[in-house]
Amino acid sequence: DTGVSQDPRHKITKRGQNVTFRCDPISEHNRLYWYRQTLGQGPEFLTYFQNEAQLEKSRLLSDRFSAERPKGSFSTLEIQRTEQGDSAMYLCASSFTGYGAETQYFGPGTRLLVL
Amino acid sequence: DQQVKQNSPSLSVQEGRISILNCDYTNSMFDYFLWYKKYPAEGPTFLISISSIKDKNEDGRFTVFLNKSAKHLSLHIVPSQPGDSAVYFCAASAWSFGNEKLTFGTGTRLTIIP
Repeated sequence: DTGVSQDPRHKITKRGQNVTFRCDPISEHNRLYWYRQTLGQGPEFLTYFQNEAQLEKSRLLSDRFSAERPKGSFSTLEIQRTEQGDSAMYLCASSFTGYGAETQYFGPGTRLLVL
Repeated sequence: DQQVKQNSPSLSVQEGRISILNCDYTNSMFDYFLWYKKYPAEGPTFLISISSIKDKNEDGRFTVFLNKSAKHLSLHIVPSQPGDSAVYFCAASAWSFGNEKLTFGTGTRLTIIP
């Protein structure tokens, strides 16, 4: 039984560079979420997909951020022209929509440091 | 606007005693509540959840209580064990309104003293 996986686990980049993160959800899960967590805060919602459709984006997701889930399986989150304020833990979660409220299961996260 | 609040940043409990973590919320549309446990450098791990149609849910050593009128929930861990030392996050969603995204509190760091 494999859980949610994320790659890479750590990323150090220089300001202005582009970075891309990958998330592989639990295989039967049709929903995939991205959250961001900064020091001393709880995770904050960024965006989510149901299958390949991106259904909602947070105001936190500036136009430098783009997320895709091309075949309804894995997802990528790209940050263009990174800024120091983008330094955070980026968390992916997946869930299955069925009867009743869904439980989201999280991956280990990608820790981004922008120098 | 902090819709989910965990007012105690930290809590220390003796091993074997009960740990009680608290969470308050302000959004009346929240109807599904979850507790996650997080170790450093790892993602949150799901512990237990409760729907707003219930006031208690139990799973082994973990029990969550929901007081809808007070917009308050609590997580009880008994007996507390050293491996329970972690940061605990309360989260909420408004799933019956079609809003499944989670809103998290800021977390409570639980330390179990051997």
